Amino acid sequence: GENVEQHPSTLSVQEGDSAVIKCTYSDSASNYFPWYKQELGKGPQLIIDIRSNVGEKKDQRIAVTLNKTAKHFSLHITETQPEDSAVYFCAASPLSGGSYIPTFGRGTSLIVHP
Amino acid sequence: GAVVSQHPSWVICKSGTSVKIECRSLDFQATTMFWYRQFPKQSLMLMATSNEGSKATYEQGVEKDKFLINHASLTLSTLTVTSAHPEDSSFYICSARRGGRTDTQYFGPGTRLTVL
Repeated sequence: GENVEQHPSTLSVQEGDSAVIKCTYSDSASNYFPWYKQELGKGPQLIIDIRSNVGEKKDQRIAVTLNKTAKHFSLHITETQPEDSAVYFCAASPLSGGSYIPTFGRGTSLIVHP
Repeated sequence: GAVVSQHPSWVICKSGTSVKIECRSLDFQATTMFWYRQFPKQSLMLMATSNEGSKATYEQGVEKDKFLINHASLTLSTLTVTSAHPEDSSFYICSARRGGRTDTQYFGPGTRLTVL
């Protein structure tokens, strides 16, 4: 099955700095890669996703890059703000039986200091 | 759009009792819903996948008779933790996928279960 590694486990930055979270995956059949933000005591919220036919996707201060050859993808947050503080999860999904079921990374706790 | 709700948001029960958690897709039809379990500071562990009108598919190691899942309609799935014990205490999160889509999941806010 798919195995997703996520680093770092904790990331502390100053407000205004950039933050980068990296994930690697093992199953070359994976072709859908969502990123989720989870605030304390809440469910994960989809913030951005990328499919294998695209190398990069950007949405305002958030961008995701994908390198299918190396099997790694990254989340980039620019101009970080205190409200960006949360746990971020990456996931990788192969298409199996006509359906995507993601495997999640272990999460990165992002702390943005004002 | 794509709002998923869960009820209750938290529940405390005595050991041996059963607890039902509801997951609803509020503004879309969800042909597939997923149930996850999350321990403190850990990732999401998929428990089961349920499709409307059919039996749930459980992940390896998840007891079917203990975690009963019912997906009775396109907007509602329920998870019943039967004969709950303290080790069942956890954060349970559901997610739903739009009908016709095969990828994006939308998560509910989660239910904190504490078994005394």
